[in-house]
Amino acid sequence: NAGVTQTPKFQVLKTGQSMTLQCAQDMNHEYMSWYRQDPGMGLRLIHYSVGAGITDQGEVPNGYNVSRSTTEDFPLRLLSAAPSQTSVYFCASSQRLRRFSYEQYFGPGTRLTVT
Amino acid sequence: AQSVTQLDSQVPVFEEAPVELRCNYSSSVSVYLFWYVQYPNQGLQLLLKYLSGSTLVKGINGFEAEFNKSQTSFHLRKPSVHISDTAEYFCAVSEGNAGNMLTFGGGTRLMVKP
Repeated sequence: NAGVTQTPKFQVLKTGQSMTLQCAQDMNHEYMSWYRQDPGMGLRLIHYSVGAGITDQGEVPNGYNVSRSTTEDFPLRLLSAAPSQTSVYFCASSQRLRRFSYEQYFGPGTRLTVT
Repeated sequence: AQSVTQLDSQVPVFEEAPVELRCNYSSSVSVYLFWYVQYPNQGLQLLLKYLSGSTLVKGINGFEAEFNKSQTSFHLRKPSVHISDTAEYFCAVSEGNAGNMLTFGGGTRLMVKP
């Protein structure tokens, strides 16, 4: 049971380039999320998915796209990278604890630098 | 909308001393509260959570937290810290029927000195 996996661990992009951050989970969780972590700001939600085929925006969605074709995978796409997207990106999947509460499991993160 | 404030960005403390990391939140509905720990260059690991019931919650590694609804706080405590507790700690809140969406505080870096 690998939990939540993310690739790559590190990436350097030039402004305007595109790329996809990969996230996969093997826990059969319905809910998956993408966060970015910036110093002093904690983690901020980018996009989330409540199941295959269903996605929605979080707090900071601009410049990012997501899709959820399977329960296991939830890739994050940067269409045209900007220096403001330099950050550490975390993927999480959520297990329902009770009706409205969930426990989130985080991947190891992807450190992205845009020059 | 909910928000989470961690009042201290850094907390230096000597080994074996007690520590309290403060967290306050704002929300108009019922909340679920979490503390996560992040060791250097790693992801986030759940320390403890409050969903309902007893306001004193015990977690892993000897940490505990107390939910105070009237003060909208969820402070994290440990009676005696170790060097290995050096890490960044995040308080997080989910509210109402959006329990799968977390709002995080800015984090507190705990630095344990020998």
